[in-house]
Amino acid sequence: QKEVEQNSGPLSVPEGAIASLNCTYSDRGSQSFFWYRQYSGKSPELIMSIYSNGDKEDGRFTAQLNKASQYVSLLIRDSQPSDSATYLCAGSQMKKLTFGTGTRLTIIP
Amino acid sequence: NAGVMQNPRHLVRRRGQEARLRCSPMKGHSHVYWYRQLPEEGLKFMVYLQKENIIDESGMPKERFSAEFPKEGPSILRIQQVVRGDSAAYFCASSPIAGDSGNSPLHFGNGTRLTVT
Repeated sequence: QKEVEQNSGPLSVPEGAIASLNCTYSDRGSQSFFWYRQYSGKSPELIMSIYSNGDKEDGRFTAQLNKASQYVSLLIRDSQPSDSATYLCAGSQMKKLTFGTGTRLTIIP
Repeated sequence: NAGVMQNPRHLVRRRGQEARLRCSPMKGHSHVYWYRQLPEEGLKFMVYLQKENIIDESGMPKERFSAEFPKEGPSILRIQQVVRGDSAAYFCASSPIAGDSGNSPLHFGNGTRLTVT
C-alpha cells in the first residue's frame, strides 16, 4: 500500500466549476498535510497546508482533513484555465514529506 | 530574498560519467531535501540533510549516489557512473526546521533535469 495515494486522473472540469482533488494516506502518525501545484516542466509550488481536522480556506482554495478517515482533499472554486496543472498531495512522516503521484487537472474553457 | 537555487538547470551526461547537482537553500534554512521525479510520476524522497549531517538517506540508492551539505557552500548530490535510468528531474527543497511541521512546508528549487545519453 502506498503511503500517500491520489487518483492520477486526468480530471477535467469546466471553467467556473468546482474542482475536487482527493488524497488518502496510510500512516496515522502523519501530522501535517500539504497541497502543491506543479505546472509541466516546473517546480512544485505550495498551495495549502493543513494539520487540524476540518476545513481551511484560502481564497478560491479549501483544504479538508479527516484524520479518522485518513483523507485529505482540495477544492478549487471558480476554476480557471490557469489552474490546469498537476496537484501533489504530501503528508509529513519521520521529518520528511511523502508525496502522492499527483492528479492532473485540466480546466476546460 | 532569493529562493532555493539549483544548478545547473539542465545537465547532459554520457553513460559512465559523473553528475554533480548543486543546491543552495533559502537564506536561514538549514534543512535540505533531495527528491527525484521521473516523467509523469510524483516526487520520490532521496535524502534529508542538515549542515554537515545526513539525517535520512533511506530513499537514496546504495550505490553510485551520495549527498553532502558542508558547513560552507551548497548541498551536492553526486551520481557516479550514470546510467540511462538516472535520467530524471532532481529537485532540492529547504525548510527552516524539520519538514514535518505544519508551519514548515518545503520550498522547492527549479530542479536539475538530468539526461543520460
